[in-house]
Amino acid sequence: AQTVTQSQPEMSVQEAETVTLSCTYDTSESDYYLFWYKQPPSRQMILVIRQEAYKQQNATENRFSVNFQKAAKSFSLKISDSQLGDAAMYFCAYVGNTGKLIFGQGTTLQVKP
Amino acid sequence: GAVVSQHPSWVICKSGTSVKIECRSLDFQATTMFWYRQFPKQSLMLMATSNEGSKATYEQGVEKDKFLINHASLTLSTLTVTSAHPEDSSFYICSGDGAGVNEQFFGPGTRLTVL
Repeated sequence: AQTVTQSQPEMSVQEAETVTLSCTYDTSESDYYLFWYKQPPSRQMILVIRQEAYKQQNATENRFSVNFQKAAKSFSLKISDSQLGDAAMYFCAYVGNTGKLIFGQGTTLQVKP
Repeated sequence: GAVVSQHPSWVICKSGTSVKIECRSLDFQATTMFWYRQFPKQSLMLMATSNEGSKATYEQGVEKDKFLINHASLTLSTLTVTSAHPEDSSFYICSGDGAGVNEQFFGPGTRLTVL
């Protein structure tokens, strides 16, 4: 069975600084997708970034980028120039052949002014 | 982007009553819809997967007679919590899987409080 692990329950970053959230996963599948979702206090799930496993190039969306290491099964999220609005709970997620999203435990990010 | 709505956003009910939550895909057809449950400061737990016109598939440990799911059309799925008890109080989130896109689009969630 596939698993997703986020080992950082809480992280803190100073406004305008850079922070990296960690995620590891375990799977025997070769085709899959990885996602980072943001859940602000409103609790609306917002897609931050997605990565197709067959693509070697790391995905980037404005201030958000990932470091996808397929062999190591690692998928970290880097947030550059952190803003107060980035404060939220972040979930790493995996989807494979079943089509079901498997979520990590989540990391709560605090942004300090 | 694709939009999913949920109604109601917040509901309080008495123990023993039933509550229905609606999930609608507003601008796309959701072949598959998913229902999640989330406790405070925890991750999303998948409850069930439903395909339009078919019976829902429930995850292990989820009581299918308690959490009735109907997916009557490509834009509407409903979750009915039957004979609700205080331990059913939680945040329920639905999502729709847009055909041909490996991405789920999430509703805003429904907060259920059972007194």
